[in-house]
Amino acid sequence: NAGVMQNPRHLVRRRGQEARLRCSPMKGHSHVYWYRQLPEEGLKFMVYLQKENIIDESGMPKERFSAEFPKEGPSILRIQQVVRGDSAAYFCASSPYFDPTYSYEQYFGPGTRLTVT
Amino acid sequence: QQPVQSPQAVILREGEDAVINCSSSKALYSVHWYRQKHGEAPVFLMILLKGGEQKGHEKISASFNEKKQQSSLYLTASQLSYSGTYFCGTDLAEFYFGSGTKLNVKP
Repeated sequence: NAGVMQNPRHLVRRRGQEARLRCSPMKGHSHVYWYRQLPEEGLKFMVYLQKENIIDESGMPKERFSAEFPKEGPSILRIQQVVRGDSAAYFCASSPYFDPTYSYEQYFGPGTRLTVT
Repeated sequence: QQPVQSPQAVILREGEDAVINCSSSKALYSVHWYRQKHGEAPVFLMILLKGGEQKGHEKISASFNEKKQQSSLYLTASQLSYSGTYFCGTDLAEFYFGSGTKLNVKP
């Protein structure tokens, strides 16, 4: 009964380096959300993807951030040239479908804690 | 648009009740409720879709008003395990979470 998997759980990067965060959705789920959470704050939506397609990226910063969900393999959130302000917990969540007339629960992974030094 | 939650924080004794509110200036398509314990991932509690809907069981339940602009989460006879931060959220492809309500249940 594999849930949503994220790796790494903790990632330390120096300013200017690249960070790659991976998310494998629950079995049978084809949609992935990425969120960022700063300490003691709420979850901020970043991007919503299905396999090979970005459905909504309105919450993603225009520069340095990108996300993909290939046909095979996990979804990847990529942060280029990281800065201290990127330090946060990054959660992904998966849901089974996308249906504009309905709303589905999301199952969250354990998160990746990114620290930029 | 991000829904607004109130109160920001609640301290309860075991066995006491609590109500957490989530409101929006515009009708929400749906409302989701999640609980997050410190250092852990959020966990799904329930979704409400229809105006006037009520859902849940006797200990944790939620309602969605007729205009779909307010939802309330009811925690009855709270237990220590209820402690955590409760988020409401709503979606229209992108997903917006409220700022959260921190609940602390003490023995």
